[in-house]
Amino acid sequence: DIVMTQSPDSLAVSLGERATINCKSSQSVLSSYSNKNFLAWFQQKPGQPPNLLIYWASTRESGVPDRFSGSGSGTDFTLTISSLQAEDVAVYYCQQYYSMPYTFGQGTKLEIK
Amino acid sequence: QVQLVQSGAEVKKPGASVKVSCKASGYTFTNFLLYWVRQAPGQRLEWMGWINVANDNTVYSQKFQGRVTFTRDTSANTAYMELSSLRSEDTAVYYCARGPLEQLSYWGQGTLVTVSS
Repeated sequence: DIVMTQSPDSLAVSLGERATINCKSSQSVLSSYSNKNFLAWFQQKPGQPPNLLIYWASTRESGVPDRFSGSGSGTDFTLTISSLQAEDVAVYYCQQYYSMPYTFGQGTKLEIK
Repeated sequence: QVQLVQSGAEVKKPGASVKVSCKASGYTFTNFLLYWVRQAPGQRLEWMGWINVANDNTVYSQKFQGRVTFTRDTSANTAYMELSSLRSEDTAVYYCARGPLEQLSYWGQGTLVTVSS
């Protein structure tokens, strides 16, 4: 199984500041056939299901604010929130869908400083 | 709009089975795979597998192989996840989810399954 490891486990950022979450996979999730990274990012708020933010490592899901962006390739990925808003407080997960079972990171809890 | 509505919370004894339903609306049910994901308290999300609603093909995570069964009823636009030989570690919220492809864009609200003697 591909192991997904996020850092940090928790993060406190001031409103309006940048938040950066990292995700590392134990194997590359870049397809040489499609040249796409099979990596997604989710946001989960308490009592709610996960909400897809980013897929193919950098494609924003419809309706997701443009302050959310994804980058990286191969085994190292980053989710960036350019200007933190109060409603962004949540746990963020990365997930690889390159190889079954499609595994998730352990989550990063984002709070307001 | 796309909706996935799951059945209500369940409390089961160790060794029992549970069957969770996921009713789809707002799209053609047979056009998309349905995935199952679970989340134990304070734990990361855990992918369980998927069912091809069109032809009933299934893929299960090795971790659950032999204990989990995905089925569907196309006449009712409903998919089911049955987990047997329950143990306390199976206490979790179980979600159904849908793509477009492997990207899980739509999720059910979740079903809490509690396993306790």
